[in-house]
Amino acid sequence: SQTIHQWPATLVQPVGSPLSLECTVEGTSNPNLYWYRQAAGRGLQLLFYSVGIGQISSEVPQNLSASRPQDRQFILSSKKLLLSDSGFYLCAWRETGGTEAFFGQGTRLTVV
Amino acid sequence: KQEVTQIPAALSVPEGENLVLNCSFTDSAIYNLQWFRQDPGKGLTSLLLIQSSQREQTSGRLNASLDKSSGRSTLYIAASQPGDSATYLCAVSYRSAGRRALTFGSGTRLQVQP
Repeated sequence: SQTIHQWPATLVQPVGSPLSLECTVEGTSNPNLYWYRQAAGRGLQLLFYSVGIGQISSEVPQNLSASRPQDRQFILSSKKLLLSDSGFYLCAWRETGGTEAFFGQGTRLTVV
Repeated sequence: KQEVTQIPAALSVPEGENLVLNCSFTDSAIYNLQWFRQDPGKGLTSLLLIQSSQREQTSGRLNASLDKSSGRSTLYIAASQPGDSATYLCAVSYRSAGRRALTFGSGTRLQVQP
């Protein structure tokens, strides 16, 4: 069966520090991968999606970037965090041509 | 702009009551609509997925309906239990969205009182 792993679960980082959040999917090949953010009091917003290794599409301009170095690995990064980057970050996957999306357990990021 | 709206934002009901959560979307050109449950500080658990060609889906005490022409979906929860307390999110996969990404509503926070 397919599983999705996301880590760390919680992270507190100072303003200006770098960020790396990792997401891996097991039990499937060539999935579509997504990063969403849930800011306080707001709905989930799509940040990035990827249809294959090295293929990244950005939905909104921001201080973050994403990379997909391996088929089932999706990384969210920042060189210098801002206070406004605080939020709950969720990774999701969907089979290529599939319909249902599945989500990881999320990372709570607090920038101080 | 393609949006998803959920009403009410919060709901508190006594245990055993049947309830309906509402979701509306702005464009009928969708692939599917998915209902999720989110417990505090946790990820999303998929509850039901309705394809654009379907009218409803059922799983246990949950029933979700879809009316594309009016841009509406409802999630019906029968005989609510305290364990149903969570935030329920409606998400739509619009045909114009990149690679079937989801557009989410802001959720309905449900509290079932024992």
